[in-house]
Amino acid sequence: AQTVTQSQPEMSVQEAETVTLSCTYDTSESDYYLFWYKQPPSRQMILVIRQEAYKQQNATENRFSVNFQKAAKSFSLKISDSQLGDAAMYFCAYRSYLRSGTYKYIFGTGTRLKVLA
Amino acid sequence: EAGVAQSPRYKIIEKRQSVAFWCNPISGHATLYWYQQILGQGPKLLIQFQNNGVVDDSQLPKDRFSAERLKGVDSTLKIQPAKLEDSAVYLCASSRQGNTEAFFGQGTRLTVV
Repeated sequence: AQTVTQSQPEMSVQEAETVTLSCTYDTSESDYYLFWYKQPPSRQMILVIRQEAYKQQNATENRFSVNFQKAAKSFSLKISDSQLGDAAMYFCAYRSYLRSGTYKYIFGTGTRLKVLA
Repeated sequence: EAGVAQSPRYKIIEKRQSVAFWCNPISGHATLYWYQQILGQGPKLLIQFQNNGVVDDSQLPKDRFSAERLKGVDSTLKIQPAKLEDSAVYLCASSRQGNTEAFFGQGTRLTVV
């Protein structure tokens, strides 16, 4: 079974600085997707960035980028030029294929990011 | 396009009472998920529907939890009777078949006292 591990319960970053959130996963599949979701106090999970496992190029979305190391099963999120609005819980997620032709998402335990003014 | 709608936003009940949560997914999304998120933890999948059929309910406590999606659109999750450890946020999500992204609602925060 697939597992997702986030070893940093909480991280802090100064406004305008850069922070990296760590995520490791375990799987025997070769083709899969990885995601970072943001959960602000409103509780709604918002997709930050996704990575296809067969793509070697790291995904980027504006100030957000990932460092995807497939062999090491590592998927870290880098936030550049941190803003106060980035403060939230961040969840790493793995998308697993089901035989029914659908997918299920497995989440890590989350990292709470605090942004200091 | 409208997002995933959930109601109610908050619910407080006493243990042994029953409660129901409602979810309306994004139009056209065949897959619907119910997650339980206990404070300080990541979401845990309770049940997943493909249209009106269940594809995964392996982590649903079936002695007290039930869910249905009769017409393949909106869904109801019920707890009867509730226990203190059921206090959590219940998140509903949906995705288009074959799509890479799941879209989430704002969740229902349940407190069992």
